[in-house]
Amino acid sequence: GQQVMQIPQYQHVQEGEDFTTYCNSSTTLSNIQWYKQRPGGHPVFLIQLVKSGEVKKQKRLTFQFGEAKKNSSLHITATQTTDVGTYFCADDNAGNMLTFGGGTRLMVKP
Amino acid sequence: DGGITQSPKYLFRKEGQNVTLSCEQNLNHDAMYWYRQDPGQGLRLIYYSQIVNDFQKGDIAEGYSVSREKKESFPLTVTSAQKNPTAFYLCASSIIGSGNTIYFGEGSWLTVV
Repeated sequence: GQQVMQIPQYQHVQEGEDFTTYCNSSTTLSNIQWYKQRPGGHPVFLIQLVKSGEVKKQKRLTFQFGEAKKNSSLHITATQTTDVGTYFCADDNAGNMLTFGGGTRLMVKP
Repeated sequence: DGGITQSPKYLFRKEGQNVTLSCEQNLNHDAMYWYRQDPGQGLRLIYYSQIVNDFQKGDIAEGYSVSREKKESFPLTVTSAQKNPTAFYLCASSIIGSGNTIYFGEGSWLTVV
């Protein structure tokens, strides 16, 4: 079946540094959704990307969908301790049947 | 106050016992899901349901069972046949259709002792 891969698995950054997580698939992605899960919490929807080459911003977060719709990325500018958590991408490939990537766990040192 | 309620938050089970995790939503969503999350890993789909009295297996359904007798409720039973049940279980719901946001409950931690 389809596999969605995320890298890196873990990332430690100093507060104020930038952070990027990448989501890749060997097959064409349908719609990409991004979720954030705080430690001990549950995933919370951040954004959805639908169109090839789409770029969306939410304050310090920038989300991109690749031109070939085989990859996506989430970039955080000037990380803060509130950004700590695990970021998941998920492909909405069968009408809400999400295939999740393994997640990238972000740790921020103050 | 709308949302998804899962209970219990923490559950300990002896080997060989079945346990049932509750999931209730008042969002009027047709679709409901159960995911399993192992420490440091992603989410894997156990079962999903798009309509009352109907449900389908996800990627890791073996050792689990569900029912959907009411639109609001989608309980998950972890049976003794599930070899490694210790995990974090997340219930979710959504409107049916591609591109709709999935809302998650706060999860249930199951530990086998």
